[in-house]
Amino acid sequence: AQSVAQPEDQVNVAEGNPLTVKCTYSVSGNPYLFWYVQYPNRGLQFLLKYITGDNLVKGSYGFEAEFNKSQTSFHLKKPSALVSDSALYFCAVRDIMNTGFQKLVFGTGTRLLVSP
Amino acid sequence: DVKVTQSSRYLVKRTGEKVFLECVQDMDHENMFWYRQDPGLGLRLIYFSYDVKMKEKRDIPEGYSVSREKKERFSLILESASTNQTSMYLCASLPWGREKGQPQHFGDGTRLSIL
Repeated sequence: AQSVAQPEDQVNVAEGNPLTVKCTYSVSGNPYLFWYVQYPNRGLQFLLKYITGDNLVKGSYGFEAEFNKSQTSFHLKKPSALVSDSALYFCAVRDIMNTGFQKLVFGTGTRLLVSP
Repeated sequence: DVKVTQSSRYLVKRTGEKVFLECVQDMDHENMFWYRQDPGLGLRLIYFSYDVKMKEKRDIPEGYSVSREKKERFSLILESASTNQTSMYLCASLPWGREKGQPQHFGDGTRLSIL
């Protein structure tokens, strides 16, 4: 079965500094990878995805992610963090159910805290 | 833009009650999902529906059922609520077959407390 791991429960960064939220994956075949963000008391919002092509994927709100096949990683990055980026971030991988339909398998989430 | 609406943001119910959580999407998506979100566990898939009246149990279906009588509406039912069902419940939708790797669209969630 496909899975993703987010090794850090929390990441702290100062505003203006670069940020990285880590994700590693375990899949059979080519991975379809996603990042979502959840602000307090809200649902998940899609940030970006990797399907194929360039290893550096650009998404919403200035975020990008780097797909690294040799390290089986898909880390989320932003060059300059904002206080408003403070939220819960989820990495996910597409899995195909035994009935042929697709679902997402989520990591446990990483809380990002950006201090002023 | 896709809109997934969950009817209640916060809900407090008592043990043993039958609880209905409602979700409506406005984009004619075939697939709809119910997740529960718990700290340290991420999101876990409860039920999935791929069309009207079609449903599949997924990772943690015990104590839950679902209803999909219309394409736009997917209801999660707690048959007899228990305190271990206190959680955040998230509904999502996804178009079927149009593009590989389409992202799921989520509602804002229902925070359910069972007393």
